[in-house]
Amino acid sequence: AQSVTQLDSHVSVSEGTPVLLRCNYSSSYSPSLFWYVQHPNKGLQLLLKYTSAATLVKGINGFEAEFKKSETSFHLTKPSAHMSDAAEYFCVVSASYTGGTASKLTFGTGTRLQVTL
Amino acid sequence: GAGVSQSPSNKVTEKGKDVELRCDPISGHTALYWYRQSLGQGLEFLIYFQGNSAPDKSGLPSDRFSAERTGGSVSTLTIQRTQQEDSAVYLCASSFLPSSDFAEAFFGQGTRLTVV
Repeated sequence: AQSVTQLDSHVSVSEGTPVLLRCNYSSSYSPSLFWYVQHPNKGLQLLLKYTSAATLVKGINGFEAEFKKSETSFHLTKPSAHMSDAAEYFCVVSASYTGGTASKLTFGTGTRLQVTL
Repeated sequence: GAGVSQSPSNKVTEKGKDVELRCDPISGHTALYWYRQSLGQGLEFLIYFQGNSAPDKSGLPSDRFSAERTGGSVSTLTIQRTQQEDSAVYLCASSFLPSSDFAEAFFGQGTRLTVV
């Protein structure tokens, strides 16, 4: 079984200040973890992914996330927010089914990021 | 094609009618997913295909929902006797799953279904 919890449904930051979007996961298997972004009226886009290589993962648009197994966390950060970062962000966990390469993506409920002037 | 294609992009239907939603995955992608996103909600998993078989259909909300995939490519999601609570954006995604790694899923733009 696997699940993902996004601790904040809404985060508001000022432009130029750091962003922290929190995500905790639960998985029976070694997970792969992703962050997706969904801008208003746009499709989902992959920001970054963790697949058991480096624990600090860098993605597009200056975002990064750190996999912490001891805390079962995969928080998304960015040093300086930009107005264009305003969007919905989804943390996603994927784990292999026993005996195969099949995988199911489980989405968190999303965090809406608001960026103010 | 260049990306995951879904059709129609919008569908308005009367309560009780059947609807069929189509997904064309990226060529060569073996895995295909259907999700549903209701207003203000996260993504709700519906069904997952690996090739033409569905190892996980646990998310289908009722027996009014069914899906199939043929030729390891196109998938259709069928909703029979639609209800107003079926109104949502239905998203399709595909990914290529090599034997030793997880690949990202690429999402289509979705089909916005409105049941009136």
